[in-house]
Amino acid sequence: GAGVSQTPSNKVTEKGKYVELRCDPISGHTALYWYRQSLGQGPEFLIYFQGTGAADDSGLPNDRFFAVRPEGSVSTLKIQRTERGDSAVYLCASSPHGAAYEQYFGPGTRLTVT
Amino acid sequence: SQQGEEDPQALSIQEGENATMNCSYKTSINNLQWYRQNSGRGLVHLILIRSNEREKHSGRLRVTLDTSKKSSSLLITASRAADTASYFCATDLAGGGNKLTFGTGTQLKVEL
Repeated sequence: GAGVSQTPSNKVTEKGKYVELRCDPISGHTALYWYRQSLGQGPEFLIYFQGTGAADDSGLPNDRFFAVRPEGSVSTLKIQRTERGDSAVYLCASSPHGAAYEQYFGPGTRLTVT
Repeated sequence: SQQGEEDPQALSIQEGENATMNCSYKTSINNLQWYRQNSGRGLVHLILIRSNEREKHSGRLRVTLDTSKKSSSLLITASRAADTASYFCATDLAGGGNKLTFGTGTQLKVEL
């Protein structure tokens, strides 16, 4: 079956602009995660959804970051007033239940803020 | 913040040799997972070991877990050039809210 997909694969935007990053998880996976990975670092947790609700958003760096999953499937990560420090690869992962199980990662979206 | 630290940061070996990577973490865990990442993009799950397990095998991979030392190791036997990648350990922290905390990674290069 299809894996986790993310769009776009690359996004270049100007400082101050608004961006949306999309994640399409594996069908039937109730848990969905967003991570951010900077060069040379491991993925850093941003937010976790169980179904439609954000079960843990403690990793969101500030209120410019917001994510939704309105129907319990596709999720969108939204970043307002982008800053150069937001440049990173944004990874999405899904899991049948949660962290007690393996996570399936998408290919990521490379965001560059100029 | 990063929970785990992998050691070494980089490792270069010849094809056919074994590669060992270590991961240390700071607080109690439910499970520990190892992932591989090629070219800085999507991660691939390799193996999951639960806190009550000490060793697990999967093909050429062997993972050990020592909860008393808060450490884990990943052994890749008979390495191949295709094993060249970054390897990350990730912990599901006890009471940590059902999410994974990743380490800093080991860059493995397997040369022909």
